[in-house]
Amino acid sequence: DTGVSQDPRHKITKRGQNVTFRCDPISEHNRLYWYRQTLGQGPEFLTYFQNEAQLEKSRLLSDRFSAERPKGSFSTLEIQRTEQGDSAMYLCASSFPAVDYGYTFGSGTRLTVV
Amino acid sequence: GIQVEQSPPDLILQEGANSTLRCNFSDSVNNLQWFHQNPWGQLINLFYIPSGTKQNGRLSATTVATERYSLLYISSSQTTDSGVYFCAVERENFGNEKLTFGTGTRLTIIP
Repeated sequence: DTGVSQDPRHKITKRGQNVTFRCDPISEHNRLYWYRQTLGQGPEFLTYFQNEAQLEKSRLLSDRFSAERPKGSFSTLEIQRTEQGDSAMYLCASSFPAVDYGYTFGSGTRLTVV
Repeated sequence: GIQVEQSPPDLILQEGANSTLRCNFSDSVNNLQWFHQNPWGQLINLFYIPSGTKQNGRLSATTVATERYSLLYISSSQTTDSGVYFCAVERENFGNEKLTFGTGTRLTIIP
């Protein structure tokens, strides 16, 4: 297993466009998390899934944000009508608490809204 | 929500020096993890340590849960240790399953 994969690594988009990011977790991990990180700050929680169920969403996740994990494997995070304030690094992590509570993070998708 | 404070915010050391990074948290936790974010942005999990002491090579960590703090020790620093170190906690008995991150300690190791 090669760890948590995120695609794309970088995305530049014009304000108002929609973007979608993909995360492939470690295959046996049943939990998947999305975080957002802005410059100089620690990652902030957005949402998490246990298998295909989305169990919690942060207040940071406005109506323009939606996340799915349709078969309990990969996940997508979509941002509609992007705004400049959405520019950030979007990080995905996975874990399998029955074995190890530690999170494994992907390399992130850096979004720039111009 | 739970507050997580890390100190110092910045640390500059000569290669070979030892360092201690501190994480204070405002409530009881059942999950505490230390991460290293390298200059390319990759977050690497160093320790899962809600209590007790663990060691991994030149790194060790101690969490005193009753006093709500954790320490990360780095011995014989190398330039590859540079980056930002984050402490992240999950509040105990709160019914959620997410980590809250501190603002980090930026460590710079000078050759």
